[in-house]
Amino acid sequence: DIQMTQSPSSLSASVGDRVTITCRASQTIHNYLNWYHFQPGRAPKLLIFGASSLQTGVPSRFAGSGSGTNFTLAISNLHPEDFATYYCQQTYTTPLTFGGGTKVDIK
Amino acid sequence: QVQLQESGPGLVKPSQTLSLTCTVSGGSISSGNFYWNWIRQPAGKGLEWIGRLYTGGSGSIKYNPSFKGRVTISIDTSKNEVSLELSSVTAADSARYFCARARDYAGSVRPLDYWGQGTLVTVSS
Repeated sequence: DIQMTQSPSSLSASVGDRVTITCRASQTIHNYLNWYHFQPGRAPKLLIFGASSLQTGVPSRFAGSGSGTNFTLAISNLHPEDFATYYCQQTYTTPLTFGGGTKVDIK
Repeated sequence: QVQLQESGPGLVKPSQTLSLTCTVSGGSISSGNFYWNWIRQPAGKGLEWIGRLYTGGSGSIKYNPSFKGRVTISIDTSKNEVSLELSSVTAADSARYFCARARDYAGSVRPLDYWGQGTLVTVSS
């Protein structure tokens, strides 16, 4: 199985800040990397697919980059609704696997 | 707007079979090349992919080998539903279970573009 290592596991930030989350794959996954936003009680939301493509309707303050084994999600100008948990996921091969998650909370 | 809604018993006894349903609204479950996935998340833990069913030409089904043959995913096009069965459950199978869709097209990396809110299942006697 491809292992996805996400860091940090948690971070504290303020509204308006810029944060970055990294995700590393145990082997190359090319650009088969997606990012999701999770909040309790709500359906998870796809933010970024193909490492850097913004899903329709997702604000442009979200940006993804990387290829191969190293990827980054950057969120600029944090809004209140951005305080959530973020997961990366590889869809290069089955079993599909996820990173351990990064919880972004309010400082 | 496509919406997914998971449903099923919130409590299952050990050794029994867990059965969940994902009802899809806002679009046909089979008119298109879709992967219908099940994912779970134990309380306080990460996400685990369970398996997926493909409604494209091959109609293939793939399961996570970690479930050791306990999983069955099926589809009922007349009800627009995807189902999950997990047999011989133990307390370790207690989790929130999600269904999610991925669309397959040329060049797609097949991200999970629509998810349900998930349904909580507890395995306990």
